[in-house]
Amino acid sequence: EVQLVESGGGLVKPGGSLRLSCAASGFTFSSYSMNWVRQAPGKGLEWVSSISSSSSYIYYADSVKGRFTISRDNAKNSLYLQMNSLRAEDTAVYYCAREVVLEKNWFDPWGQGTLVTVSS
Amino acid sequence: DIQMTQSPSSLSASVGDRVTITCRASQSISSYLNWYQQKPGKAPKLLIYAASSLQSGVPSRFSGSGSGTDFTLTISSLQPEDFATYYCQQSYSTPSITFGQGTRLEIK
Repeated sequence: EVQLVESGGGLVKPGGSLRLSCAASGFTFSSYSMNWVRQAPGKGLEWVSSISSSSSYIYYADSVKGRFTISRDNAKNSLYLQMNSLRAEDTAVYYCAREVVLEKNWFDPWGQGTLVTVSS
Repeated sequence: DIQMTQSPSSLSASVGDRVTITCRASQSISSYLNWYQQKPGKAPKLLIYAASSLQSGVPSRFSGSGSGTDFTLTISSLQPEDFATYYCQQSYSTPSITFGQGTRLEIK
């Protein structure tokens, strides 16, 4: 079964840091680009960051550029998101998602999400 | 960024109804359009990819159509488990992927 499991969320003060992890299983992790998508409480979905299969290409949303760093360890089948200089507006459930590319591209599956709360 | 606008934002319907949700892109995205279903407290689930292809395991009452800027998700006969929020997503401008604001489908 293809599965993604996030961890590392929690309560952090403004200006603080947090590192999220996403453990992948059931597929060849090293063959896929991966993404982070977040959802603020009661709000819609916002793409955050993506990383190619070999980490050659990395992209960020403008809202997190310079503060967040995406990385992966293909030997450990794991994806990471290092979040620094956190702000209240970063409060959200963070999902990791596999990017499937077959001429066009989409996200499938998604992990269950991990909640990040930024508050003093 | 490409803006995605869904309509309606919310919708009340009854079991057995035929429901259509619309998604409009701010510029042409060919058929780089995907649909997701999200239930409260759960992760989004892929329903339709590339505008009209049904994801494996998704019931055939779900269908998608459109190309260019206008797209629709249709549920032919609503079932109790279909009450959820639906999001469209454009992947034309990858990596700058954007989502619609969501359509909440509620029981009438």
